[in-house]
Amino acid sequence: EDQVTQSPEALRLQEGESSSLNCSYTVSGLRGLFWYRQDPGKGPEFLFTLYSAGEEKEKERLKATLTKKESFLHITAPKPEDSATYLCAGYSSNTGKLIFGQGTTLQVKP
Amino acid sequence: DTEVTQTPKHLVMGMTNKKSLKCEQHMGHRAMYWYKQKAKKPPELMFVYSYEKLSINESVPSRFSPECPNSSLLNLHLHALQPEDSALYLCASSQTSGGLEQFFGPGTRLTVL
Repeated sequence: EDQVTQSPEALRLQEGESSSLNCSYTVSGLRGLFWYRQDPGKGPEFLFTLYSAGEEKEKERLKATLTKKESFLHITAPKPEDSATYLCAGYSSNTGKLIFGQGTTLQVKP
Repeated sequence: DTEVTQTPKHLVMGMTNKKSLKCEQHMGHRAMYWYKQKAKKPPELMFVYSYEKLSINESVPSRFSPECPNSSLLNLHLHALQPEDSALYLCASSQTSGGLEQFFGPGTRLTVL
């Protein structure tokens, strides 16, 4: 069964305290691992797509990496405006569906 | 431009009402999606349209009726909903349905009384 698991469920950081969010996946016919950011009451905002193990992508304070079983979202020196829920999702070419994890809610305190 | 628009932003309806949600994109995307999201849960896929044809229906109750009038528009017609259908309804689009990034709209917050 296709599954995406994110940890931790919630993460509290002080401003400037770097950390990583984990996404482990078992997705049949994986074609793309996606990271989204979602603010309360809004739609998910696309951040990154990773297609191959070893691939890395960066955007400002965020860096996403991919292995054959996991993806990590590294947050370097976070700011309060980075507070949001981060969703990881794998696309299954077998089912044609995006399989979402439960999300990690990040709170960055000043 | 990676914008998907949705109207209305908020909708309150009774269980006997008929209403529609609208989604629009002008990115030339040929795949469009409806998702339902409950509080503190990830989005759940409802329907997928590919080249204006329904390709996936996730066993959604018939009180939800999708429509894709053209490649830029997606509607979700609502009829005889239940209070448990209250949720954030999200529309998304992607260039095609083959695993490319999906861009989400801001959502419609639906409350069923």
